[in-house]
Amino acid sequence: QSVLTQPPSVSGAPGQIVTISCTGTSSNLGSIYAVHWYQQLPGAPPKLLIHSNTIRPSGVPDRFSGSKSGTLASLAITGLQAEDEADYFCQSYDSGLRNVVFGGGTKLTV
Amino acid sequence: EVQLVESGGGLVQPGGSLRLSCEASGFSFRRDWMSWIRQAPGKGLERVANIKSDGSEKYYGGSVQGRFTISRDNRKNSLSLQMNSLKVDDTAIYFCVRDVTYASGSYAFENWGQGAVVTVSS
Repeated sequence: QSVLTQPPSVSGAPGQIVTISCTGTSSNLGSIYAVHWYQQLPGAPPKLLIHSNTIRPSGVPDRFSGSKSGTLASLAITGLQAEDEADYFCQSYDSGLRNVVFGGGTKLTV
Repeated sequence: EVQLVESGGGLVQPGGSLRLSCEASGFSFRRDWMSWIRQAPGKGLERVANIKSDGSEKYYGGSVQGRFTISRDNRKNSLSLQMNSLKVDDTAIYFCVRDVTYASGSYAFENWGQGAVVTVSS
């Protein structure tokens, strides 16, 4: 049972927009801690996609965007492409557990 | 280019031990916190341990506390994870990961190795 809650799966057609939610509590997302997002392509390690709620590392397309409000964070992907098919994980820190926490992951099917 | 290369994975019986190593290059290893994060088959991610840049602070997840030991050698740019009293539930891919702290104060996992497969089975 993951501390951060994500939908197990989402899907969309090429060119469409999808959003992936990440729900936390007052001890993680609802507090001062930022959310980060990772993309894991099949057979590959996770790759940092968004950090500090909204910031894309160099090389990440601007089709990917993040947001956070209260205990809810979201990852939006616009102009879906077949290569976006992957697992997506959110991550934050929990003051009660005193450790980083991850969402269970969302499988995106394009 | 940042590179993290794990080694030492394999098949071990319950109760056995295994030592994972990670060779780092392409960044100033001695300046960064490092973590071991694992992913059980078809499951999510769990950080099992992390260590401060100079090795003076170490933290462990509750599921491995007292069984796993993280260490580093900044002269050799290497990170290790000694795993004792292994359980079937420790079966996972173990990733060597570089932690990065941002100006906001939050930190994320910016670079990942390809992972070492650990299978605990009789």
